[in-house]
Amino acid sequence: QVQLVESGGGVVQPGRSLRVSCAASGFTFSSYAMHWVRQTPDKGLEWVAVVWYDGSIKYYADSVKGRFTISSDSARNSLYLQMSSLRPEDTAVYFCARDWAYGFDYWGQGALVTVSA
Amino acid sequence: QSGLTQPASVSGSPGQAITISCTGTSSDIGGYNHVSWYQHHPGKAPKLMIYEVSNRPSGISNRFSGSKSANTASLTISGLQVEDEGDYYCASYRSANSWVFGGGTTLTVL
Repeated sequence: QVQLVESGGGVVQPGRSLRVSCAASGFTFSSYAMHWVRQTPDKGLEWVAVVWYDGSIKYYADSVKGRFTISSDSARNSLYLQMSSLRPEDTAVYFCARDWAYGFDYWGQGALVTVSA
Repeated sequence: QSGLTQPASVSGSPGQAITISCTGTSSDIGGYNHVSWYQHHPGKAPKLMIYEVSNRPSGISNRFSGSKSANTASLTISGLQVEDEGDYYCASYRSANSWVFGGGTTLTVL
């Protein structure tokens, strides 16, 4: 069955960098666009970024553009989110999700990222 | 740009029907049929309940239905069951290659 497992969350100081990963299994990873979505206590769910099935196209939310980079590795069936210049407002649970008809049909359990001095 | 607007909470009794609204703009809900709904229990992975306005994924009960009129989408749950309790989020594709979520609605089955 489809499984998405995030890793790499943790506590990081403002201005520093962190990479979260998502290991995919149970489907042909290279056939699907993949997203990162985050959840904060204040704002609920917020879409962060998407990478096309072949890695050729990437789009970002305005709130992270220029600071976050989404990437995928089909050989490792993995999705990544490299986060730099982190801010306290980036504190959230980060979910990876598979694209389905411009929605999100499978999600991971999430990785908690806390940005704090 | 702000997110989609949902009521903070709704409640109903077992067996009843409830509807959760989700209001956006012509740049998202009104402009595309890419509206989806998710059930979320804290600490778990969100679950897709409805996609493309009114389609149910395999395994989702037909007690869940979706619709759209102009800039507002709706999720209706009929025959409420205790296990339907949780947070529900709407989402829509938005112009300029982005996606937007609603603020979430907490459903309580009394």
